[in-house]
Amino acid sequence: GENVEQHPSTLSVQEGDSAVIKCTYSDSASNYFPWYKQELGKRPQLIIDIRSNVGEKKDQRIAVTLNKTAKHFSLHITETQPEDSAVYFCAPNTGGFKTIFGAGTRLFVKA
Amino acid sequence: DTAVSQTPKYLVTQMGNDKSIKCEQNLGHDTMYWYKQDSKKFLKIMFSYNNKELIINETVPNRFSPKSPDKAHLNLHINSLELGDSAVYFCASSLGNFLLYNEQFFGPGTRLTVL
Repeated sequence: GENVEQHPSTLSVQEGDSAVIKCTYSDSASNYFPWYKQELGKRPQLIIDIRSNVGEKKDQRIAVTLNKTAKHFSLHITETQPEDSAVYFCAPNTGGFKTIFGAGTRLFVKA
Repeated sequence: DTAVSQTPKYLVTQMGNDKSIKCEQNLGHDTMYWYKQDSKKFLKIMFSYNNKELIINETVPNRFSPKSPDKAHLNLHINSLELGDSAVYFCASSLGNFLLYNEQFFGPGTRLTVL
């Protein structure tokens, strides 16, 4: 089955700095690479995703990059703001009925 | 309109009791899930249903019994509650087609506390 690892587990940055979270997966059949954000006491919500035929996707201050050969993809947040503080999860999957989530990365943005 | 809803939001109960959590989605999705999120924030899949049929059971104790009366509803009944069952339980749904990309839409969660 899919083995998913996320690094780092905790990340603390100064407001305005960039943050990068990396997700490594094992199943080469994975074809969908989403990132979810979970604010304190809230539900996880999709913030950006990428499909296997694309190497990079950007949406304002967030971007996701994919390296299928090395089996990892990363979330990039630029110009971080306090409201970016949350737990971020990657969830690479093959499009089937089971999604394995990474262990999560707690991002703290200090004002 | 709420896309995925769950009730109750909070559940506090004694060990040994039986409780249920209800979930409904109005997105027209075929697939629904139950996830358990522990105090360390690990989000672990428990069950996956597609068109009311059980697809995935991730070695969950048989004290947990999901039921899907129709594809818009997935309920979770838990018998003989134990301290280790304390967690936040999230219901989710997705399109479910094997060929499509399965973005998960989560409910607000049910925080279960077993005393």
